[in-house]
Amino acid sequence: GQQVMQIPQYQHVQEGEDFTTYCNSSTTLSNIQWYKQRPGGHPVFLIQLVKSGEVKKQKRLTFQFGEAKKNSSLHITATQTTDVGTYFCAGRGYQKVTFGTGTKLQVIP
Amino acid sequence: EAGVAQSPRYKIIEKRQSVAFWCNPISGHATLYWYQQILGQGPKLLIQFQNNGVVDDSQLPKDRFSAERLKGVDSTLKIQPAKLEDSAVYLCASSPGGWDANTGELFFGEGSRLTVL
Repeated sequence: GQQVMQIPQYQHVQEGEDFTTYCNSSTTLSNIQWYKQRPGGHPVFLIQLVKSGEVKKQKRLTFQFGEAKKNSSLHITATQTTDVGTYFCAGRGYQKVTFGTGTKLQVIP
Repeated sequence: EAGVAQSPRYKIIEKRQSVAFWCNPISGHATLYWYQQILGQGPKLLIQFQNNGVVDDSQLPKDRFSAERLKGVDSTLKIQPAKLEDSAVYLCASSPGGWDANTGELFFGEGSRLTVL
């Protein structure tokens, strides 16, 4: 079955440092979505990437979708304490949306 | 616009007891998902409905879990009998498109936290 892995599992950064999480799928995806889950909360949609090689930006967040549509990355520039949470990618393959293992981000003030 | 509603928010039961969770998706959303999220892990899809039909239930432990979507709107997820390893947050999500739509973010409810003692 479709598997989606993320690295790293955990990341601690000083406020102001950059952060990147990587997402890899065992199968080719039709699209990929990114979600953020705050401690004690539920996943909240951030963005969706559909095209091979697509790059999208949301303020300090940059999302990329790989050329082969099997991997993706999320980069945060100059982290802030409000960025704390777990970031999940979710790959949409045939009929289903499979969530990745997540990267938990801690920001040290 | 009202979000995805779930109840109860918290439930504590002993092993071998039964429990049911309820979900009301966003009005008009065709697709409804139940995910199980164990602490520290990503959400794992249990079952996916489009309207009142099942699209995918390949990861649903059918010997103990059951789910239905009444008239293509509300849904219930039941566990009977519960095991210790069922302790998790059960997340309901909905999306406007059908399963084959190449779009459609998932809107999640607050989740139902189950503790099995």
